Amino acid sequence: AQSVAQPEDQVNVAEGNPLTVKCTYSVSGNPYLFWYVQYPNRGLQFLLKYITGDNLVKGSYGFEAEFNKSQTSFHLKKPSALVSDSALYFCAVRDDPYNNDMRFGAGTRLTVKP
Amino acid sequence: NAGVTQTPKFQVLKTGQSMTLQCAQDMNHNSMYWYRQDPGMGLRLIYYSASEGTTDKGEVPNGYNVSRLNKREFSLRLESAAPSQTSVYFCASSVDRGSNQPQHFGDGTRLSIL
Repeated sequence: AQSVAQPEDQVNVAEGNPLTVKCTYSVSGNPYLFWYVQYPNRGLQFLLKYITGDNLVKGSYGFEAEFNKSQTSFHLKKPSALVSDSALYFCAVRDDPYNNDMRFGAGTRLTVKP
Repeated sequence: NAGVTQTPKFQVLKTGQSMTLQCAQDMNHNSMYWYRQDPGMGLRLIYYSASEGTTDKGEVPNGYNVSRLNKREFSLRLESAAPSQTSVYFCASSVDRGSNQPQHFGDGTRLSIL
């Protein structure tokens, strides 16, 4: 069965500094990987995905993520954090073709301080 | 551009009461999902409907029932609410369950069971 882990409950960064939110996964087949962001009292919003191809994926709001097959990781990154990036971030994985369910991590709360 | 619409946004119930959470999507998606979100646990799948006319259990189906009323609407029913069902409930939809496309989420229903 597929699984996904977000090892940090909380990440704090200063505005203007680079940020990284970590995600590792376990699958039997090919990983379909997704990052979502959740703002207070809102649903999850899609940021970016990795299906195949280039290991560096670019998404919305200046975010990018790097797929690393050997380390089974898919870390979310941004070169320069904004206070408005403060939110809850979820990594998700689907194990293609063995399981069509999407498995979500527990979430990482990102706080960007001015 | 409504996307996924959930009603109600908030609800307080007494133990043993019943209620139905409503969800509708206007993206012509085939698949729809119900999740619950609890602190530190990410999103857990309750039920899904891969296509109109079909429904299946997810990871945590006990105490819930669903109805795929038509292609647009997917409701979640609590027949006899219990305090353990206090949670935030999210409805989501996607083009197809097995595709590489992301799921789209509503803004959630915050449910408290007293």
